[in-house]
Amino acid sequence: GAVVSQHPSRVICKSGTSVKIECRSLDFQATTMFWYRQFPKQSLMLMATSNEGSKATYEQGVEKDKFLINHASLTLSTLTVTSAHPEDSSFYICSAKAGGRGEKLFFGSGTQLSVL
Amino acid sequence: GESVGLHLPTLSVQEGDNSIINCAYSNSASDYFIWYKQESGKGPQFIIDIRSNMDKRQGQRVTVLLNKTVKHLSLQIAATQPGDSAVYFCAESSGTYKYIFGTGTRLKVLA
Repeated sequence: GAVVSQHPSRVICKSGTSVKIECRSLDFQATTMFWYRQFPKQSLMLMATSNEGSKATYEQGVEKDKFLINHASLTLSTLTVTSAHPEDSSFYICSAKAGGRGEKLFFGSGTQLSVL
Repeated sequence: GESVGLHLPTLSVQEGDNSIINCAYSNSASDYFIWYKQESGKGPQFIIDIRSNMDKRQGQRVTVLLNKTVKHLSLQIAATQPGDSAVYFCAESSGTYKYIFGTGTRLKVLA
């Protein structure tokens, strides 16, 4: 099946710093990627939809200036958490839709962000 | 708003028994459904999907049943194994790129 690589898997940072998370589709082109946030023992909450070559579409309540998304190529989308604070600590997961292979979403392995 | 929910937050089954995980959805326009398995600290893993023009689909040891009349989805796991222990999510889509995830059910396999 399609492979989505997400990096880093875990990051610890100081409050006020910015963190970039990368999401790559390794064996397919993903015109659309999605970024989710997941708190412990909770479901996945869609943060934004990332389209290659255009601005991301953010879900209601998600600050676009806080969570910067760039989808510069058909295989790479990045999420930057700017000026991170402890409340931003969470598990962030990206996913990609493989066009031509049905509507399956393939997920990255997730990034555990801990802001001190 | 639209939501996908699960009846049981935790399900404990004996190893070797069959497991049934349920999911209710509220969007009658949803036409595509997926079950995912998520192990601790990892991203969701695709298990099986089904389209609204079907009511049953089988995979390896797993079966998904769709009842559109009552907007109910279920995942059946045959001969449950310790490696099946995880959180299971259903997700639904209504023809858009958006996928709505249910709250999740934790499956515990007892030895």
